[in-house]
Amino acid sequence: GAVVSQHPSRVICKSGTSVKIECRSLDFQATTMFWYRQFPKQSLMLMATSNEGSKATYEQGVEKDKFLINHASLTLSTLTVTSAHPEDSSFYICSARVWQSNTEAFFGQGTRLTVV
Amino acid sequence: AQSVTQPDIHITVSEGASLELRCNYSYGATPYLFWYVQSPGQGLQLLLKYFSGDTLVQGIKGFEAEFKRSQSSFNLRKPSVHWSDAAEYFCAVGAGGTSYGKLTFGQGTILTVHP
Repeated sequence: GAVVSQHPSRVICKSGTSVKIECRSLDFQATTMFWYRQFPKQSLMLMATSNEGSKATYEQGVEKDKFLINHASLTLSTLTVTSAHPEDSSFYICSARVWQSNTEAFFGQGTRLTVV
Repeated sequence: AQSVTQPDIHITVSEGASLELRCNYSYGATPYLFWYVQSPGQGLQLLLKYFSGDTLVQGIKGFEAEFKRSQSSFNLRKPSVHWSDAAEYFCAVGAGGTSYGKLTFGQGTILTVHP
């Protein structure tokens, strides 16, 4: 089956620093990837849609300048949390849609971000 | 806009008992429907999905779900629950076309299994 790898699985950073999270499709090409955020004891909320070679589309209420998304190749999308603050602490998870396929999007393992 | 409602935040069942987790959706067209399971601190595992065809869908780990268009529901069932089924379950609806793969999740249902 299609595998999506997300790295790192856990990261702790100091307030004010930036953190980059990678989402890779290991055995398929993904023209579109999705980034979700899950606060403790809450559901997953879509943050943005990442399209290879173009700008990401952000959901309402998500700050573009704070959550930088880059999708430079068909197998890699990155989410950079800039100037992180404790309220950015959350579980971030990506999914990747198989190019030209009618199957579901496949999820990565998620990244637990803790900002101290 | 699409939405998903899982009416039960927390369900407790005894091991061996049957289970039904409710899911209601709102979507203007034919929906793509999913059930995922998440163990604490872990990612999502797909249990089953409905795209079209037979409205009774079989999934992994003995789970099944039935799509009922008239009730806008996609309830998850299992005839006999195992202790290892304790986790959080999410129902999700997906869009088609250019938004394919983009999911809207329900609030989740936490399942506790008593021995």
